[in-house]
Amino acid sequence: DQQVKQNSPSLSVQEGRISILNCDYTNSMFDYFLWYKKYPAEGPTFLISISSIKDKNEDGRFTVFLNKSAKHLSLHIVPSQPGDSAVYFCGPGGTSYGKLTFGQGTILTVHP
Amino acid sequence: NAGVMQNPRHLVRRRGQEARLRCSPMKGHSHVYWYRQLPEEGLKFMVYLQKENIIDESGMPKERFSAEFPKEGPSILRIQQVVRGDSAAYFCASSPSRGHDSGANVLTFGAGSRLTVL
Repeated sequence: DQQVKQNSPSLSVQEGRISILNCDYTNSMFDYFLWYKKYPAEGPTFLISISSIKDKNEDGRFTVFLNKSAKHLSLHIVPSQPGDSAVYFCGPGGTSYGKLTFGQGTILTVHP
Repeated sequence: NAGVMQNPRHLVRRRGQEARLRCSPMKGHSHVYWYRQLPEEGLKFMVYLQKENIIDESGMPKERFSAEFPKEGPSILRIQQVVRGDSAAYFCASSPSRGHDSGANVLTFGAGSRLTVL
Protein backbone atom coordinates (compact mmCIF):
# COMPACT_ATOMS: atom_id res chain seq x y z
CA ASP A 1 0.00 0.00 0.00
CA GLN A 2 1.23 3.49 -0.76
CA GLN A 3 2.49 5.41 2.25
CA VAL A 4 2.96 9.11 1.83
CA LYS A 5 4.54 11.43 4.37
CA GLN A 6 4.70 15.17 4.52
CA ASN A 7 7.09 15.67 7.39
CA SER A 8 6.69 19.42 7.75
CA PRO A 9 3.29 20.20 9.26
CA SER A 10 3.75 23.91 8.59
CA LEU A 11 5.86 26.37 6.64
CA SER A 12 6.01 30.14 6.88
CA VAL A 13 7.59 32.31 4.18
CA GLN A 14 7.71 35.95 3.20
CA GLU A 15 5.83 37.19 0.16
CA GLY A 16 8.02 37.07 -2.94
CA ARG A 17 10.30 34.34 -1.59
CA ILE A 18 10.32 30.68 -2.56
CA SER A 19 8.14 28.11 -0.79
CA ILE A 20 9.34 24.50 -0.87
CA LEU A 21 6.97 21.76 0.26
CA ASN A 22 8.19 18.18 0.54
CA CYS A 23 6.65 14.76 0.21
CA ASP A 24 8.17 11.29 0.74
CA TYR A 25 6.68 8.00 -0.36
CA THR A 26 7.45 4.32 0.13
CA ASN A 27 5.84 2.49 -2.80
CA SER A 28 7.23 3.24 -6.27
CA MET A 29 4.27 1.80 -8.17
CA PHE A 30 2.41 4.82 -9.41
CA ASP A 31 1.72 6.65 -12.66
CA TYR A 32 1.48 10.17 -11.29
CA PHE A 33 1.93 12.22 -8.18
CA LEU A 34 -0.54 15.02 -7.60
CA TRP A 35 -0.60 18.11 -5.42
CA TYR A 36 -3.82 19.58 -4.11
CA LYS A 37 -4.41 22.84 -2.28
CA LYS A 38 -7.06 23.33 0.35
CA TYR A 39 -8.45 26.52 1.85
CA PRO A 40 -10.37 26.44 5.15
CA ALA A 41 -14.01 25.35 4.82
CA GLU A 42 -13.48 24.38 1.17
CA GLY A 43 -12.72 21.15 -0.63
CA PRO A 44 -9.24 20.48 -2.00
CA THR A 45 -8.50 21.70 -5.52
CA PHE A 46 -6.04 20.17 -7.94
CA LEU A 47 -2.84 22.15 -8.35
CA ILE A 48 -0.24 20.25 -10.38
CA SER A 49 0.83 16.70 -11.19
CA ILE A 50 3.97 14.92 -12.35
CA SER A 51 4.28 11.73 -14.33
CA SER A 52 6.44 8.96 -12.90
CA ILE A 53 8.59 9.07 -16.03
CA LYS A 54 9.53 12.71 -15.56
CA ASP A 55 11.63 14.50 -12.98
CA LYS A 56 10.17 17.98 -13.33
CA ASN A 57 6.90 19.62 -14.27
CA GLU A 58 6.34 23.35 -14.32
CA ASP A 59 3.15 25.37 -14.45
CA GLY A 60 3.55 29.10 -13.95
CA ARG A 61 4.79 29.80 -10.44
CA PHE A 62 4.50 26.12 -9.48
CA THR A 63 7.15 23.48 -10.18
CA VAL A 64 7.17 19.92 -8.93
CA PHE A 65 10.38 17.89 -8.80
CA LEU A 66 10.49 14.11 -8.55
CA ASN A 67 13.56 12.24 -7.25
CA LYS A 68 12.75 8.58 -7.78
CA SER A 69 15.95 7.24 -6.24
CA ALA A 70 15.20 9.10 -3.02
CA LYS A 71 11.43 8.51 -3.29
CA HIS A 72 10.97 12.19 -2.72
CA LEU A 73 9.12 14.96 -4.44
CA SER A 74 8.90 18.65 -3.76
CA LEU A 75 6.66 21.51 -4.79
CA HIS A 76 8.30 24.88 -5.39
CA ILE A 77 6.24 28.06 -5.44
CA VAL A 78 8.04 31.15 -6.61
CA PRO A 79 7.36 33.92 -6.03
CA SER A 80 5.08 33.08 -3.11
CA GLN A 81 1.95 35.18 -2.68
CA PRO A 82 -0.36 35.65 0.33
CA GLY A 83 -3.13 33.92 -1.64
CA ASP A 84 -1.01 30.77 -1.67
CA SER A 85 -1.60 30.40 2.08
CA ALA A 86 -3.42 27.08 2.34
CA VAL A 87 -2.91 23.43 3.24
CA TYR A 88 -1.06 21.45 0.58
CA PHE A 89 -1.55 17.71 0.15
CA CYS A 90 0.42 15.33 -2.05
CA GLY A 91 -0.48 11.84 -3.15
CA PRO A 92 0.02 9.23 -5.91
CA GLY A 93 -2.58 8.72 -8.60
CA GLY A 94 -3.20 6.89 -11.85
CA THR A 95 -4.59 7.39 -15.32
CA SER A 96 -7.82 5.55 -14.80
CA TYR A 97 -7.92 4.85 -11.09
CA GLY A 98 -8.53 8.13 -9.32
CA LYS A 99 -8.17 7.01 -5.72
CA LEU A 100 -5.66 9.18 -3.87
CA THR A 101 -3.78 8.41 -0.70
CA PHE A 102 -2.84 11.78 0.71
CA GLY A 103 -0.05 12.82 3.01
CA GLN A 104 -0.93 14.61 6.22
CA GLY A 105 -0.67 18.01 4.59
CA THR A 106 1.55 21.05 5.07
CA ILE A 107 0.10 24.38 6.17
CA LEU A 108 1.74 27.14 4.15
CA THR A 109 1.53 30.71 5.41
CA VAL A 110 2.81 33.48 3.18
CA HIS A 111 3.29 36.77 5.01
CA PRO A 112 2.86 40.08 3.15
CA ASN B 1 -21.41 23.52 -15.12
CA ALA B 2 -21.98 22.82 -11.47
CA GLY B 3 -19.16 21.15 -9.62
CA VAL B 4 -19.47 18.41 -7.04
CA MET B 5 -22.44 19.20 -4.84
CA GLN B 6 -22.57 18.02 -1.26
CA ASN B 7 -25.36 18.42 1.22
CA PRO B 8 -25.93 19.17 3.90
CA ARG B 9 -22.95 21.45 4.48
CA HIS B 10 -23.40 21.16 8.21
CA LEU B 11 -25.13 18.39 10.11
CA VAL B 12 -25.57 18.05 13.86
CA ARG B 13 -26.55 14.72 15.35
CA ARG B 14 -26.82 13.31 18.84
CA ARG B 15 -25.03 10.12 19.76
CA GLY B 16 -26.91 7.10 18.48
CA GLN B 17 -28.65 8.89 15.63
CA GLU B 18 -28.05 8.32 11.93
CA ALA B 19 -26.26 10.67 9.58
CA ARG B 20 -26.78 10.72 5.82
CA LEU B 21 -24.49 12.73 3.59
CA ARG B 22 -25.25 13.22 -0.08
CA CYS B 23 -23.00 13.84 -3.03
CA SER B 24 -23.88 14.65 -6.64
CA PRO B 25 -20.82 14.25 -8.88
CA MET B 26 -19.83 16.61 -11.64
CA LYS B 27 -21.71 16.16 -14.88
CA GLY B 28 -20.01 13.50 -16.95
CA HIS B 29 -18.16 11.97 -13.99
CA SER B 30 -18.90 8.34 -13.25
CA HIS B 31 -16.58 7.75 -10.29
CA VAL B 32 -17.23 8.94 -6.74
CA TYR B 33 -14.87 8.94 -3.76
CA TRP B 34 -15.47 9.76 -0.12
CA TYR B 35 -12.78 11.14 2.17
CA ARG B 36 -12.83 12.05 5.83
CA GLN B 37 -10.84 14.72 7.59
CA LEU B 38 -10.76 14.34 11.35
CA PRO B 39 -9.77 17.37 13.44
CA GLU B 40 -6.05 18.12 13.16
CA GLU B 41 -5.54 15.31 10.63
CA GLY B 42 -5.16 14.92 6.88
CA LEU B 43 -7.61 13.57 4.33
CA LYS B 44 -8.24 9.85 4.67
CA PHE B 45 -9.68 7.81 1.82
CA MET B 46 -12.85 5.95 2.75
CA VAL B 47 -14.52 4.46 -0.32
CA TYR B 48 -14.53 4.53 -4.13
CA LEU B 49 -17.74 3.83 -6.03
CA GLN B 50 -19.03 3.66 -9.55
CA LYS B 51 -22.70 3.49 -10.42
CA GLU B 52 -24.24 0.63 -8.43
CA ASN B 53 -20.82 -0.77 -7.52
CA ILE B 54 -18.41 -0.39 -4.63
CA ILE B 55 -14.93 -0.61 -6.13
CA ASP B 56 -12.73 -0.05 -3.09
CA GLU B 57 -13.94 0.30 0.49
CA SER B 58 -10.60 -0.32 2.15
CA GLY B 59 -10.84 2.92 4.14
CA MET B 60 -14.33 2.41 5.52
CA PRO B 61 -14.73 1.55 9.19
CA LYS B 62 -15.97 -2.02 9.47
CA GLU B 63 -19.14 -1.14 11.35
CA ARG B 64 -21.83 1.56 11.15
CA PHE B 65 -20.56 3.06 7.89
CA SER B 66 -21.96 2.32 4.45
CA ALA B 67 -21.94 3.99 1.05
CA GLU B 68 -23.91 3.66 -2.14
CA PHE B 69 -24.06 5.23 -5.56
CA PRO B 70 -27.37 4.17 -7.10
CA LYS B 71 -28.22 4.16 -10.78
CA GLU B 72 -30.30 7.27 -10.25
CA GLY B 73 -29.61 9.97 -7.71
CA PRO B 74 -26.69 11.05 -5.58
CA SER B 75 -24.14 8.99 -3.74
CA ILE B 76 -24.98 8.54 -0.07
CA LEU B 77 -22.60 8.05 2.84
CA ARG B 78 -24.54 6.67 5.78
CA ILE B 79 -23.34 6.54 9.35
CA GLN B 80 -25.50 4.64 11.79
CA GLN B 81 -25.49 5.14 15.54
CA VAL B 82 -23.06 8.03 15.39
CA VAL B 83 -20.49 8.57 18.11
CA ARG B 84 -18.49 11.67 19.00
CA GLY B 85 -15.46 10.29 17.17
CA ASP B 86 -17.40 10.50 13.90
CA SER B 87 -17.32 14.30 14.09
CA ALA B 88 -15.34 15.33 11.04
CA ALA B 89 -15.50 16.95 7.64
CA TYR B 90 -16.57 14.47 4.97
CA PHE B 91 -15.50 15.28 1.44
CA CYS B 92 -16.85 13.77 -1.72
CA ALA B 93 -14.92 13.84 -4.98
CA SER B 94 -15.67 12.71 -8.49
CA SER B 95 -13.63 11.94 -11.57
CA PRO B 96 -14.15 10.81 -15.15
CA SER B 97 -13.37 7.26 -16.16
CA ARG B 98 -9.94 8.28 -17.43
CA GLY B 99 -7.59 11.19 -17.14
CA HIS B 100 -7.68 13.82 -19.85
CA ASP B 101 -5.33 12.91 -22.73
CA SER B 102 -4.23 9.86 -20.72
CA GLY B 103 -2.89 12.15 -18.04
CA ALA B 104 -3.51 11.91 -14.33
CA ASN B 105 -7.08 11.23 -13.33
CA VAL B 106 -7.80 14.38 -11.36
CA LEU B 107 -10.39 14.43 -8.63
CA THR B 108 -12.83 17.31 -8.28
CA PHE B 109 -13.85 17.78 -4.66
CA GLY B 110 -17.01 19.14 -3.17
CA ALA B 111 -16.99 21.72 -0.40
CA GLY B 112 -17.55 19.04 2.24
CA SER B 113 -20.14 18.16 4.85
CA ARG B 114 -19.20 18.92 8.42
CA LEU B 115 -20.71 16.46 10.88
CA THR B 116 -20.88 17.36 14.55
CA VAL B 117 -21.96 14.71 17.02
CA LEU B 118 -23.14 16.01 20.37
